Amino acid sequence: AQSVTQLDSQVPVFEEAPVELRCNYSSSVSVYLFWYVQYPNQGLQLLLKYLSGSTLVESINGFEAEFNKSQTSFHLRKPSVHISDTAEYFCAVRTTSGTYKYIFGTGTRLKVLA
Amino acid sequence: GAVVSQHPSWVICKSGTSVKIECRSLDFQATTMFWYRQFPKQSLMLMATSNEGSKATYEQGVEKDKFLINHASLTLSTLTVTSAHPEDSSFYICSALRGQGGPETQYFGPGTRLLVL
Repeated sequence: AQSVTQLDSQVPVFEEAPVELRCNYSSSVSVYLFWYVQYPNQGLQLLLKYLSGSTLVESINGFEAEFNKSQTSFHLRKPSVHISDTAEYFCAVRTTSGTYKYIFGTGTRLKVLA
Repeated sequence: GAVVSQHPSWVICKSGTSVKIECRSLDFQATTMFWYRQFPKQSLMLMATSNEGSKATYEQGVEKDKFLINHASLTLSTLTVTSAHPEDSSFYICSALRGQGGPETQYFGPGTRLLVL
């Protein structure tokens, strides 16, 4: 079975400061990794994903995440955050074969302060 | 981009009534859709996997007779909460898979907030 751990439930950070949201996973088989963002009262939007190839993946709005197989991590980073980045961020995994079932972490609430 | 809609976005009902929530993939066909439940300030809990033309696969602990799922077409899945009670109040989110057969992408609907009085 797979599991996802997001240790930080809340991360406050000042505007224009860097941020890292941590995600660790557990799986005995290979997985795909995802980060989703959820704004208040909305569904989830895909932020970025790692399927294969380069371990560093980037989104169009400045976020990046690095897949580290040895540490089973997929931390999300942004060098300079904006007020508009305030949201809930979910890390998720699914196995590369078998069912399409996604396992989500408990989420990290990023609050960007002015 | 791919769009998934849900209807209604908000519903308030009396205890004991049934509520139907629709999930539609607007610009792509989805043989697989998922239904999630999200409690306040918590993660998404997968309730069931909906496959077009076959019975839904429910996660452990989810009552099949309570949460009826019908995947009637390649663009529509419905979740019916039967005999709803206040403890069923929650945020229900569906998603649809696009691009199966390779690395697919899961697109989420905007969610339906259910309040049972």
